[in-house]
Amino acid sequence: AQSVTQPDIHITVSEGASLELRCNYSYGATPYLFWYVQSPGQGLQLLLKYFSGDTLVQGIKGFEAEFKRSQSSFNLRKPSVHWSDAAEYFCAVGPPFDYKLSFGAGTTVTVRA
Amino acid sequence: NAGVTQTPKFRVLKTGQSMTLLCAQDMNHEYMYWYRQDPGMGLRLIHYSVGEGTTAKGEVPDGYNVSRLKKQNFLLGLESAAPSQTSVYFCATLFARGSSYEQYFGPGTRLTVT
Repeated sequence: AQSVTQPDIHITVSEGASLELRCNYSYGATPYLFWYVQSPGQGLQLLLKYFSGDTLVQGIKGFEAEFKRSQSSFNLRKPSVHWSDAAEYFCAVGPPFDYKLSFGAGTTVTVRA
Repeated sequence: NAGVTQTPKFRVLKTGQSMTLLCAQDMNHEYMYWYRQDPGMGLRLIHYSVGEGTTAKGEVPDGYNVSRLKKQNFLLGLESAAPSQTSVYFCATLFARGSSYEQYFGPGTRLTVT
């Protein structure tokens, strides 16, 4: 079975600074990979996804993520954070054609002025 | 399109009471899921359905039952609520066809069991 680890529980970043959130997965082959964002009191919104091909994927809200097979990682980045990026971020993995995702525990991002 | 809706949004139960959470979708998706979200644990899959009339257990099914009598609805039942079931519950659907694969989430139901 697949599993997901988000090593950082909480990250604080200054507005305008760069952000990187880490995600490591365990799976025998290349799974489908996702990043979701959850604003307080809201549901989850898909930021970006990786299935195959170019290992650098672009998403919404200026986010990007890079798949590194050798490190079993799918880290999320944003060059310059805005106060509205304060939220909880979840990495998820799913085996192709299994139709069940496994989610990491989440990373809470706080943005300070 | 309303997407994925959940009823109710909030509920407080006493230990031992029962209730049903309703998830409805208007996107004609085959796959539907119930997750619970607890602090520090992410989302954990309770039950899921791959089509009308089908259900299957997920990671944490104990204490819950589900039914998918109609394609657009997925019901989550708690027969005898326990404080350990205090959580936020999310319903989701999945669109998977060809190179498309995306889950759509409802807004959540916050359940407190006292």
